Amino acid sequence: QVHLVESGGGVVQPGRSLRLSCAASGFSFNNYGMHWVRQAPGKGLQWVSLISYDGSNKSYGDSVKGRFTISRDNSKKTLYLEMNSLRPDDTAVYYCAKAFMVRGVSLDYWGQGTLVIVSS
Amino acid sequence: QSVLTQPPSASGTPGQRVTISCSGSSSNIGSNTVNWYQHFPGTAPKLLIYNNNQRPSWVPDRFSGSKSGTSASLAISGLQSEDEADYYCATWDDSLNGVFGGGTKLTVL
Repeated sequence: QVHLVESGGGVVQPGRSLRLSCAASGFSFNNYGMHWVRQAPGKGLQWVSLISYDGSNKSYGDSVKGRFTISRDNSKKTLYLEMNSLRPDDTAVYYCAKAFMVRGVSLDYWGQGTLVIVSS
Repeated sequence: QSVLTQPPSASGTPGQRVTISCSGSSSNIGSNTVNWYQHFPGTAPKLLIYNNNQRPSWVPDRFSGSKSGTSASLAISGLQSEDEADYYCATWDDSLNGVFGGGTKLTVL
């Protein structure tokens, strides 16, 4: 049974950093690409970032490019999102999701999300 | 402003068929496959349709997807009260970004 559990959210001041984690179980983590998707309060889903199964390829949404870094540790079956220079508009629930196709945004399993609030 | 355009709301009565549209461009829908997600607020989104019209095993055949050119549609037949949720289209953009539609809130009257 596939499980994805995010952690690391919380309240942080603008300009500070935060690292999110996503612990995976129930599937061969090192065989699948992983994504981060977020939802700001009252808004829709927004794609954040993608990392390939082996970490060699990464992509970012325009709103986080240069500030956020996605990474993974296949030995620990864990996905990460390092968020720097946080802004109030980064406030959102952050979901990690498993991709089941190499290309695209076909995400078959999602975590329950972790809330990040950027506020002074 | 989302790259993919969806109507903000849709509605239908139980048993009806409703469709939700998703409009994009040649760099996203026009050259990549479309996925659809169902989202109940406060829960994890759920994949409904992938590869334009394929259903995962857990999705009933009341849900169907289609794509033509730079647009896609999700159809729900035999509408049920439990279908009341937010629905999102999503695809890849050739600028190396994933993109989601703005979402459609479906109300079952």
